[in-house]
Amino acid sequence: GQQLNQSPQSMFIQEGEDVSMNCTSSSIFNTWLWYKQDPGEGPVLLIALYKAGELTSNGRLTAQFGITRKDSFLNISASIPSDVGIYFCAGRGAAGNKLTFGGGTRVLVKP
Amino acid sequence: GAGVSQSPRYKVAKRGQDVALRCDPISGHVSLFWYQQALGQGPEFLTYFQNEAQLDKSGLPSDRFFAERPEGSVSTLKIQRTQQEDSAVYLCASSFSGLDEQYFGPGTRLTVT
Repeated sequence: GQQLNQSPQSMFIQEGEDVSMNCTSSSIFNTWLWYKQDPGEGPVLLIALYKAGELTSNGRLTAQFGITRKDSFLNISASIPSDVGIYFCAGRGAAGNKLTFGGGTRVLVKP
Repeated sequence: GAGVSQSPRYKVAKRGQDVALRCDPISGHVSLFWYQQALGQGPEFLTYFQNEAQLDKSGLPSDRFFAERPEGSVSTLKIQRTQQEDSAVYLCASSFSGLDEQYFGPGTRLTVT
């Protein structure tokens, strides 16, 4: 089963809002990755983090690799409609190359 | 350049049939991964290749699942005697070295009836 706890499980956004989501683990990871998945498609890589404490931006996205190496967060600033989708965190440990994924955060538009 | 491609995109199999799912990684990528994604969940690791060598198959759920990459490029995931619980999206990912970013294909949605 999955080892990463991702929260919130879902959220509603209004255009222009900033949103934040995070991922925690009971295990240490050496790499954190954030992906976005649209319906019927594979996950698309957004940001990769390789060092504890690292803060990295990609356009309106900012992600951080937690100091304890057991957590990471993703912020989206000034959200737009195409930000809707499912965001996954993924961690890679020291024992191998496989990724362990969180359960996803579903970002939806406020009605 | 071209990304990871997978075929077929959709597969319907009757319980007990064998299926074969294909993955074409990004050209030059040494490492190839297979993941299984159940509905509403995150992907879960199945197996990993470095070139033609299968270095980790700890995630394969049973001996009905078999993967190969004979020439270190294209890979095939085979599921024998499919069961309903095998219904999922099967994702393939590749990376240049195995320790860097993994890029995913669109997946194959398998439905076992």
